[in-house]
Amino acid sequence: QSALTQPASVSGSPGQSITISCIGTSSDIGAYNLVSWYQQLPGKAPKLMMYESNKRPSGVSDRFSGSKSGNTASLTISGLQPEDEAHYHCCSYAGSSTWVFGGGTKLTVL
Amino acid sequence: EVQLLESGGALAQPGGSLRLSCAASGFIFSNYAMHWVRQAPGKGLEWVSRIGGSGGSIYYADSVKGRFTISRDNSKNTLFLQMNSLRADDTAVYYCAKAFDSSSFDCWGHGTLVTVSS
Repeated sequence: QSALTQPASVSGSPGQSITISCIGTSSDIGAYNLVSWYQQLPGKAPKLMMYESNKRPSGVSDRFSGSKSGNTASLTISGLQPEDEAHYHCCSYAGSSTWVFGGGTKLTVL
Repeated sequence: EVQLLESGGALAQPGGSLRLSCAASGFIFSNYAMHWVRQAPGKGLEWVSRIGGSGGSIYYADSVKGRFTISRDNSKNTLFLQMNSLRADDTAVYYCAKAFDSSSFDCWGHGTLVTVSS
């Protein structure tokens, strides 16, 4: 149950696009199309932004998109807005009814 | 509106015990699996445990197996986490989360802080 690997931080200017990577193994991300992404504003609870790698829950902006290739999942945010500044966490089903998260990525909107 | 409200977090001594609760409202509680997820200070999220809607299908992270026990009371729409043999590295904000599908969590509580220190 080793944590998924995310960059500690990414940044971008308003209007730009950024991508956050999430690297796992053949036992988690590579084995299942069950990656989810969460946005966490300072001092707040996480919010589901993406599930099953590339599906957006109702109410999440279509500026957010997800993908997966091999053992790596990615979250792309297009048209960056100041309110997107937050921590983003990836999560994958890891088999045997266990789940593994990444270390989280701090997004700064310059 | 779906709401989850955790309670029970406190300062505990190493080797001690705590019981966390999570009161749910706004959805048919017994229809959904529930999870506990924790976040150590300044760290990422860590999945802790899962329980099925009827109280079965219980699973734990290796880091808490044998020390923590998840349970639920569907008559009171409440989820529990009994934490025994607490260690310093159990210090974290503990969130309860509602299962959205088999792999994600669509509603989270505000969290309750557990601090393990002498």
